[in-house]
Amino acid sequence: DTAVSQTPKYLVTQMGNDKSIKCEQNLGHDTMYWYKQDSKKFLKIMFSYNNKELIINETVPNRFSPKSPDKAHLNLHINSLELGDSAVYFCASRHGTGGGYTFGSGTRLTVV
Amino acid sequence: QKEVEQNSGPLSVPEGAIASLNCTYSDRGSQSFFWYRQYSGKSPELIMFIYSNGDKEDGRFTAQLNKASQYVSLLIRDSQPSDSATYLCAVAYSGAGSYQLTFGKGTKLSVIP
Repeated sequence: DTAVSQTPKYLVTQMGNDKSIKCEQNLGHDTMYWYKQDSKKFLKIMFSYNNKELIINETVPNRFSPKSPDKAHLNLHINSLELGDSAVYFCASRHGTGGGYTFGSGTRLTVV
Repeated sequence: QKEVEQNSGPLSVPEGAIASLNCTYSDRGSQSFFWYRQYSGKSPELIMFIYSNGDKEDGRFTAQLNKASQYVSLLIRDSQPSDSATYLCAVAYSGAGSYQLTFGKGTKLSVIP
C-alpha cells in the first residue's frame, strides 16, 4: 500500500564506494524527483524525471546519476562517495500539472 | 535564484495557543504555495496548499497568501504537543516544461504542554 517507497532506509558505506538508492511509486504519477536534505533540514532538489526524460538537473556533481527504467521508478546511483554526501535523500512524485509532492520515507546515507 | 525564506526558530508556544509561521518568496510569478510538516526522522507531509490571495482554512490550520507582499503564512489554532515538528514552506516554480518545489529551510515549532 505504500505510495512512494525507497530502499534502503539506511545506508552506511565507506568513502570511494559506489551505491544505489531505489525509488518506486504506485500512484500513477507523471513526475518523480530526488531531493537531498542536509543536517540543517534544508531540502534541495537534485533531479526530476517526467515520462522517463530528465527535465531538471540542478548543479549536482556528475558522480550522481538518476536512472528511470519506467514511469514508476527513479533510482539514484552515486559513484565515488564522499563524506559530504552524507545526508537524507528523499524521493518524491507528483501527478500532472500543479500540486504538491508525495514523499518517500527517505534514505539516510552515512559515508565514513 | 528562486528563494524561499523562513525563520528557523525554534518557535515555542504554550498548548492551546495560536502558532504563526511565516514565509516569504522571491519570484512574483509563483502561483502555488504549500506547507509541509516534518517530524524528526520522518518524511515531509503535505498539510496545506493555497493558490489564491486570502485565507484558506482546514480544521485547525489556516494558510494565508498575499501575492503583492510575496508572503505566505500558516496559523495553527489550539496548538497541541503533537504539532511539535518542523514546518516547511514550499513554492512552486514552473517554466520551460519543468515544475519544481523550492523549499524554505523550515521553522521548528515546539508546543509546550
